Amino acid sequence: GQNIDQPTEMTATEGAIVQINCTYQTSGFNGLFWYQQHAGEAPTFLSYNVLDGLEEKGRFSSFLSRSKGYSYLLLKELQMKDSASYLCAVMLTGANNLFFGTGTRLTVIP
Amino acid sequence: EADIYQTPRYLVIGTGKKITLECSQTMGHDKMYWYQQDPGMELHLIHYSYGVNSTEKGDLSSESTVSRIRTEHFPLTLESARPSHTSQYLCASSERTGGAGEKLFFGSGTQLSVL
Repeated sequence: GQNIDQPTEMTATEGAIVQINCTYQTSGFNGLFWYQQHAGEAPTFLSYNVLDGLEEKGRFSSFLSRSKGYSYLLLKELQMKDSASYLCAVMLTGANNLFFGTGTRLTVIP
Repeated sequence: EADIYQTPRYLVIGTGKKITLECSQTMGHDKMYWYQQDPGMELHLIHYSYGVNSTEKGDLSSESTVSRIRTEHFPLTLESARPSHTSQYLCASSERTGGAGEKLFFGSGTQLSVL
């Protein structure tokens, strides 16, 4: 079966840096996605990694190590509006959908 | 901004009713999906479509059905709703990223409550 592990909840302070980890064990791999989902809203795309290394996009960066089955999402200069759930999702080889983790609920405090 | 729309946003109905959740996208995407998400839980794929007249069941067993008569429209129907169908239903469409992956755009979702 497929498995994605993320911490359930995290809390961080406004202006700080937070790293959200994701480990996965899947039958095949065709890329890893991070989505942001505010409470009661739809998920929105943040990043996509298919090769090892770091992808930077403004305050957000995402890292992938395929050999370790590991990714992280790094959020810098945290703002209150960053309080949301962050979903790690793996695209399976030959499949037509993303396999999602349960998400990490991040709370940013003043 | 993604142009994918779901209606209704919220729906409360009684057991045994037939309902259709609407989903439309104006981006010309061939692939469309329906996900089900319970509070604090992961998204589960229940149906997807490669294009017109193509529909497939996803990983999660569902008593719903879908149709794809037009590229932009992908409605989901429950013939007889039950309390176990209470959940949030998210529609999505996708475009290819620069790599091999498919980037999903989600609608705002329909929160369904069956009494």
